[in-house]
Amino acid sequence: QKEVEQDPGPLSVPEGAIVSLNCTYSNSAFQYFMWYRQYSRKGPELLMYTYSSGNKEDGRFTAQVDKSSKYISLFIRDSQPSDSATYLCAMSAGLYYGNNRLAFGKGNQVVVIP
Amino acid sequence: DAMVIQNPRYQVTQFGKPVTLSCSQTLNHNVMYWYQQKSSQAPKLLFHYYDKDFNNEADTPDNFQSRRPNTSFCFLDIRSPGLGDAAMYLCATSRKTTSGGQETQYFGPGTRLLVL
Repeated sequence: QKEVEQDPGPLSVPEGAIVSLNCTYSNSAFQYFMWYRQYSRKGPELLMYTYSSGNKEDGRFTAQVDKSSKYISLFIRDSQPSDSATYLCAMSAGLYYGNNRLAFGKGNQVVVIP
Repeated sequence: DAMVIQNPRYQVTQFGKPVTLSCSQTLNHNVMYWYQQKSSQAPKLLFHYYDKDFNNEADTPDNFQSRRPNTSFCFLDIRSPGLGDAAMYLCATSRKTTSGGQETQYFGPGTRLLVL
């Protein structure tokens, strides 16, 4: 079983729809959860960062973590064509050098259709 | 703007011909990483430097080497590229603080390598 599972299937939504992305993981030591956005031919950029279980909201983006189910989600409200990108989940056990290795999901390609 | 720069953005090489990819940063971060990302796959960590201290991942092939001559620059050398090494190579940096904490990783735009 991979450490982080993310269904890479492309997701197409009409502009204004809610985008829902999720990852599951197997390592119960993970405590820090991130979502990266990667535009075509660019490097990943940090979008959201959450510690432990709970919700975090930043503008149109909401990240949720359910550690009991080992399940994290990213929601994008009022999606825009500029949100078209690949979204990678990533997680680590800690923030300290030596235990902060990032485990990535494969990424989820999102296309927002105008 | 402080940033992570990778050159070239696209690199074409021949099977078996050594190639070097370059990464530079103006963030003054003490940790630099190299990742390999194949199409529709997660980035895979190859190795990282903490200052001049090199840390190789156990499953990184010997064909991949790295150099960090100073804080700002880090190089990825592929000694004999095979067709399976065609991928996007991402450089990332982060800062390890004196208390042991580490900030998030900042990624460069990547170098796409094609092996003919």
